[in-house]
Amino acid sequence: NAGVTQTPKFQVLKTGQSMTLQCAQDMNHEYMSWYRQDPGMGLRLIHYSVGAGITDQGEVPNGYNVSRSTTEDFPLRLLSAAPSQTSVYFCASSYSASGHNEQFFGPGTRLTVL
Amino acid sequence: GIQVEQSPPDLILQEGANSTLRCNFSDSVNNLQWFHQNPWGQLINLFYIPSGTKQNGRLSATTVATERYSLLYISSSQTTDSGVYFCARGTSNTGKLIFGQGTTLQVKP
Repeated sequence: NAGVTQTPKFQVLKTGQSMTLQCAQDMNHEYMSWYRQDPGMGLRLIHYSVGAGITDQGEVPNGYNVSRSTTEDFPLRLLSAAPSQTSVYFCASSYSASGHNEQFFGPGTRLTVL
Repeated sequence: GIQVEQSPPDLILQEGANSTLRCNFSDSVNNLQWFHQNPWGQLINLFYIPSGTKQNGRLSATTVATERYSLLYISSSQTTDSGVYFCARGTSNTGKLIFGQGTTLQVKP
């Protein structure tokens, strides 16, 4: 298994541009989520999904959009990038959303917005 | 809200030394994980340990859920142990993880 994969690894955007961060998992996990990591602030939850067709907001959802059309994929869209969205983005997955399952993280995408 | 507090925030060790990292949480737990973020930024799963004790090589972890804390033990530390150690607790029925601020470990040769 490849586990949780993310693309791209690095990205530089200009303010106002849009882009999609890709996340995929091959473990048949129901639960997938996106976090951002900023210096001195740990990881914060952006959006999550408990299964295909179901998404919900996390702690810091503004400026981001998600969809879950398949079990495997959970892309994160930045609609109009802002410098405040400069961060490292991690995708994670677990077998279910019950809270009793180990979560696994992808390698991260480092995003810079100029 | 649910709090996760880690201590110490920073730790410097000589290679070969032992250390204990602590994670306190403010509510009952059904999911407690320890991660190591290496200098390249990858989050490596160390332990999934909502209760009890587990060991993996030089690392071990203990969670005492009734007293709301977890400990990560690193024995005979190596320079490759350097990085940031996070604990994270899950919230029931949503899968959300709440992370502590991390302990930054530097192991000197």
